[in-house]
Amino acid sequence: EAGVTQFPSHSVIEKGQTVTLRCDPISGHDNLYWYRRVMGKEIKFLLHFVKESKQDESGMPNNRFLAERTGGTYSTLKVQPAELEDSGVYFCASSLWSSGNTIYFGEGSWLTVV
Amino acid sequence: QKEVEQDPGPLSVPEGAIVSLNCTYSNSAFQYFMWYRQYSRKGPELLMYTYSSGNKEDGRFTAQVDKSSKYISLFIRDSQPSDSATYLCAMSETSYDKVIFGPGTSLSVIP
Repeated sequence: EAGVTQFPSHSVIEKGQTVTLRCDPISGHDNLYWYRRVMGKEIKFLLHFVKESKQDESGMPNNRFLAERTGGTYSTLKVQPAELEDSGVYFCASSLWSSGNTIYFGEGSWLTVV
Repeated sequence: QKEVEQDPGPLSVPEGAIVSLNCTYSNSAFQYFMWYRQYSRKGPELLMYTYSSGNKEDGRFTAQVDKSSKYISLFIRDSQPSDSATYLCAMSETSYDKVIFGPGTSLSVIP
């Protein structure tokens, strides 16, 4: 069974540009989460989808970040415009509805804003 | 004060040693406690998952939770070089709530 897959694995963009990260959760997982780790900090929650609905977006840092989950399948996280402090690794995770916070992480999308 | 505190290490031990990793937390509402292992440039991998206070054992790994002290531990017996990784404690209030992570402890097991 395929795990959580994320694309791109690495991205280097200039300040002010736009980047879109994609996540494909494990098949059948209704819960989809985005987390990120910026340099020197702990992994922090960004938001939680249940199917296509945003269950909790309390961790989104500002309105430059937009997450969508089309049809309750894959999800995208867009950063527009990117700032230097957005550099870090963005993790996607998913879980079964019945398993709650037994979540499985992808390998992350490493973003560098220069 | 951070919600979850964890000694970042690095911690270096010889192969075969018993390793003790610990976290403290401030939110008494946390009920679900997890330990993740993260290898370099990889995503976190769930190792142990416990509910409320008590002990849970899985092979060489034992997780302990003491809610009265707001303190959780992970013990690794007979440590192996393949255990070299960053260990992250994590916790949540409910089984469907967001997970709060500690900063992680870097462990090296020397052959």
